[in-house]
Amino acid sequence: GDSVTQMEGPVTLSEEAFLTINCTYTATGYPSLFWYVQYPGEGLQLLLKATKADDKGSNKGFEATYRKETTSFHLEKGSVQVSDSAVYFCALVYGGSQGNLIFGKGTKLSVKP
Amino acid sequence: KAGVTQTPRYLIKTRGQQVTLSCSPISGHRSVSWYQQTPGQGLQFLFEYFSETQRNKGNFPGRFSGRQFSNSRSEMNVSTLELGDSALYLCASSSGGGWAGSPLHFGNGTRLTVT
Repeated sequence: GDSVTQMEGPVTLSEEAFLTINCTYTATGYPSLFWYVQYPGEGLQLLLKATKADDKGSNKGFEATYRKETTSFHLEKGSVQVSDSAVYFCALVYGGSQGNLIFGKGTKLSVKP
Repeated sequence: KAGVTQTPRYLIKTRGQQVTLSCSPISGHRSVSWYQQTPGQGLQFLFEYFSETQRNKGNFPGRFSGRQFSNSRSEMNVSTLELGDSALYLCASSSGGGWAGSPLHFGNGTRLTVT
């Protein structure tokens, strides 16, 4: 069935370091792809999304490009901050408005000053 | 605009009991979905309600059920609790145009502990 695979964490970086969190997916058809972020003690928030191949989602300095040829949606940020410490979830939805949202297992990021 | 509100924040129950969790969506949102989050399984979709009708259902046993009221508020019920039901239960609302077009807004969750 459809699935999302994320790199396992935790990931620990120093402030201003470059961040990449890998995400690949398996899906029949053409899903929409998302990155959600969960800060400590809070629910998930949508970080960015892409609904078709070659779309680039961006928000708060984070970017991800929908790569159909490699079935990937890697999250990147050029310079992380301590406030970016959180758990990041890659997700996909298929089936249009009747679809189910499938999440990856999440990647915990810790940024040290 | 108020966000998604889940009550209670914490619950402790014993095996065999039942529990009801509540979710109030963002005003105007007609879709409410529920997720179970555990360290081992991650986030798993339970079900989605739209205009008081269950529109989608994940792969959970019948002990897990839900409903939605005319004001879009939703409740989730788990009967005959098992230790493995201990988890963070997250509720999310959207305007209902489909996930691609209308992102989910999550509440802070209800932490259920079954002893």
